[in-house]
Amino acid sequence: DIVMTQSPDSLAVSLGERATINCKSSQSIFYSSNKKNYLTWYQQKPGQPPKLLIYWASTRESGVPDRFSGSGSGTDFTLTISSLQAEDVAVYYCQQYYSTPYTFGQGTKLEI
Amino acid sequence: QVQLVESGGGVVQPGRSLRLSCAASGFTFSSYAMHWVRQAPGKGLEWVAAISYDGGNKYYANYVTGRFTISRDSSKNTLYLQMNSLRAEDTAVYYCARDPSVGVTIRYYFDYWGQGTLVTVSS
Repeated sequence: DIVMTQSPDSLAVSLGERATINCKSSQSIFYSSNKKNYLTWYQQKPGQPPKLLIYWASTRESGVPDRFSGSGSGTDFTLTISSLQAEDVAVYYCQQYYSTPYTFGQGTKLEI
Repeated sequence: QVQLVESGGGVVQPGRSLRLSCAASGFTFSSYAMHWVRQAPGKGLEWVAAISYDGGNKYYANYVTGRFTISRDSSKNTLYLQMNSLRAEDTAVYYCARDPSVGVTIRYYFDYWGQGTLVTVSS
């Protein structure tokens, strides 16, 4: 199984500041034939289901504010929130969809 | 708009069975692969099973293989998860989720999620 490890486990950032969450996979999730990284990012607020933010490691889902961006390749990935808003308080998860079982990171709790 | 509404959760004794349902609306259900994803209380997310758009292909995580069965009824726009031989470690909120890909391809990530239904396995 591919193990996804996020860091840090929790993060406190001031309003308007940048937040950075890291995700590392235990093996490469880059598929050379299509040059894509099989990684997504989700946001989960308390009492709600997860919401898709980013797929293919860096493609923003429709309707997601452009302050959210994803980067990285191979085994190391980053979710960046450029200017933190109050509504961004949530737990963030990365997920690989390169191979079964399709595993998630343990989550990063983002607070203000 | 896309809506996924799960039902069928509850408290069940170890070794017993339960069937979850997910009613889909707001999109052409028969065109999309679907998934079940679970989340133990206070824990992270775990993919459980997937089914192709036509129900012809089914995929399972190894921790539920042989115990859980995913199925769909496109005439009712409904996804199911039959869970047998339940264990305490199956206790979780079970989410129904849509795969973003139309047709034969399954992407194995999730663009829409239901609100979930809680399954508690306890004696």
